[in-house]
Amino acid sequence: KAGVTQTPRYLIKTRGQQVTLSCSPISGHRSVSWYQQTPGQGLQFLFEYFSETQRNKGNFPGRFSGRQFSNSRSEMNVSTLELGDSALYLCASSPQGAYDFSSGQFFGPGTRLTVL
Amino acid sequence: AQKVTQAQTEISVVEKEDVTLDCVYETRDTTYYLFWYKQPPSGELVFLIRRNSFDEQNEISGRYSWNFQKSTSSFNFTITASQVVDSAVYFCALGEASQGAQKLVFGQGTRLTINP
Repeated sequence: KAGVTQTPRYLIKTRGQQVTLSCSPISGHRSVSWYQQTPGQGLQFLFEYFSETQRNKGNFPGRFSGRQFSNSRSEMNVSTLELGDSALYLCASSPQGAYDFSSGQFFGPGTRLTVL
Repeated sequence: AQKVTQAQTEISVVEKEDVTLDCVYETRDTTYYLFWYKQPPSGELVFLIRRNSFDEQNEISGRYSWNFQKSTSSFNFTITASQVVDSAVYFCALGEASQGAQKLVFGQGTRLTINP
């Protein structure tokens, strides 16, 4: 089975622009989560989608949004980029819907976003 | 609130030494999962192990072993006879049930350097 894929792998944007990142989960997985990783804050949960519904969102401003499509692929969008949004954005997929980590979460390679 | 603490920010050892990475967690849930992930320089989080709160058996996988102790809320990771390829950042994480969503709370990570 192919792993979690994320595109693009690298992105450079300027302040004020917006960006869309994409994540394709492992085939058959219905839950997709997004995390932001920065040197200062570490790994922080952004949001999680299951069956096209956002079930939870982390403590991030409304500039961060996402969606999930019927094929479980997910996108996240950041509008009005700030310098502090520079980070590695990781996507994770899991087969389970309810609180059940028995199958674990599997991460993609990430998208490294640089905001200039 | 859930919290994971990895007190060791960086560890440096010489190849073939044994090394233990510490992880202490806080949770009020009676059912939870604990994870270890490895992050090599490429950035992808590589899943190493998952443990649920009802299974306190220690686990060994080759040179890797994990010690889960609920009494001290710890889930430590030991690498025996370390190798240069073990150099990476290692994260301990707690699986949190939040509105039915799958969410991982990560520690700050331990950067492990194995010197030849």
